[in-house]
Amino acid sequence: EAQLLESGGGLVQPGGSLRLSCAASGFIFDRSAMAWVRQAPGKGLEWVSLVLPGGGDTFYADSVKGRFAISRDNSKGTVSLQMNSLRAEDTAVYYCAKASGGTFPQSRNFDSWGQGTLVTVSS
Amino acid sequence: DIQMTQSPSSLSASVGDRVTITCRASQGINNHLAWFQQKPGKAPKSLIYGTSSLQSGVPSKFSGSGSGTEFTLTISSLQPEDFATYYCQQYDTFPLTFGGGTKVEVK
Repeated sequence: EAQLLESGGGLVQPGGSLRLSCAASGFIFDRSAMAWVRQAPGKGLEWVSLVLPGGGDTFYADSVKGRFAISRDNSKGTVSLQMNSLRAEDTAVYYCAKASGGTFPQSRNFDSWGQGTLVTVSS
Repeated sequence: DIQMTQSPSSLSASVGDRVTITCRASQGINNHLAWFQQKPGKAPKSLIYGTSSLQSGVPSKFSGSGSGTEFTLTISSLQPEDFATYYCQQYDTFPLTFGGGTKVEVK
């Protein structure tokens, strides 16, 4: 059974940076795309970013493009989200999600989720 | 971007009821449609992918159907553990987009 454990959340000032990490276990990591999805307080789900198994192909929501960077380390089974130039509207719980495979459409079908880590952007 | 519109946004139902939630896409998504369940303070749980395929371990009381731009999630007999918020998501085209959610509450 896949297990995903996020870390790195916290309180940061507007304009600051934060790096989230997700440690994966229980599946063959380098065969699955990985993604980040966020949920602002009291709001719905918003896809943020996705990385394919090789790490070279990355995709972003327009709301974070140019500010966030997703990466993965297949040797360690981790996926990270570097968040720069943070804004108040980035405040959310950030979930790490595993895709069911590495090629379309499985690479975009999320079958497991972590418990989330809270990011609060406030002065 | 593909807009996903869920209806209703909330509903009240009783244990044993049959519940249907609708999700409409602003354009065709080639049946690349998933459903998730989320309980308060918890992570989403994957229920259905490819419009109608159950994720491993998901009970058969959940079913999905649809085509083109209109899709439905049906819970055949609502149980206490099914009171939650349900989201649809298209994964045909980037950016991946979710519906606004449907909250299923106790009547």
